[in-house]
Amino acid sequence: DIQMTQAPSSLSASVGDRVTITCRASQTIYNYLNWYQQKPGRAPKVLIYGASSLQSGVPSRFTGSASGTDFTLTISSLQPEDFATYYCQQSYTTPFTFGPGTILDIK
Amino acid sequence: QVQLQESGPGLVKPSGTLSLTCAVSGGSISSTNWWNWVRQPPGKGLEWIGEIFHSGSANYNSSLKSRVTISIDKSKNQFSLRLTSMIAADTAVYYCVKKGGGGSPFDSWGQGTLVTVSS
Repeated sequence: DIQMTQAPSSLSASVGDRVTITCRASQTIYNYLNWYQQKPGRAPKVLIYGASSLQSGVPSRFTGSASGTDFTLTISSLQPEDFATYYCQQSYTTPFTFGPGTILDIK
Repeated sequence: QVQLQESGPGLVKPSGTLSLTCAVSGGSISSTNWWNWVRQPPGKGLEWIGEIFHSGSANYNSSLKSRVTISIDKSKNQFSLRLTSMIAADTAVYYCVKKGGGGSPFDSWGQGTLVTVSS
């Protein structure tokens, strides 16, 4: 199975900050990497697919990039509604696997 | 916009069998999508359980493969999850999820249903 790791596991930031979350795959997944946002008591919501494509309706302050098996999610200017948990997920092959999550909270 | 809604018991006894159903609305289950189950234990991360295509072709997580069956009912536009030999570690929120073909993301999620394993 492909293992996904994320860093950091938690992050405190302020409104207006630029934040970056990283994800690494244990083997090549090409660009089959997706990012999700999950708020307490809610289902996850896809933000970025294919490593860098913005899902329809998602604000442009969210961007994704890739370099080999390393992937990043960047939020350019944090808004109050962005405080949540973020997961990466590989959709290259089954079993589809998720990273352990990054909790983004208010400093 | 496809919508998904899980239904089933919220409590299952240890060694019992979980049966959940996901009703699909706003689109046909016979489309070129894969229909998935994902679960999340309380306070923990996400685990993919398996998927099914309208043809009946299914893929499962090897960690659960011996206990899980996903089936599809095209006449009712719904799909189902059956998980046997339930243990406490199976306590989780279970989501039904739509995924497109190929390397598509999980793009539509049900609201989730909490299943607790307890006597």
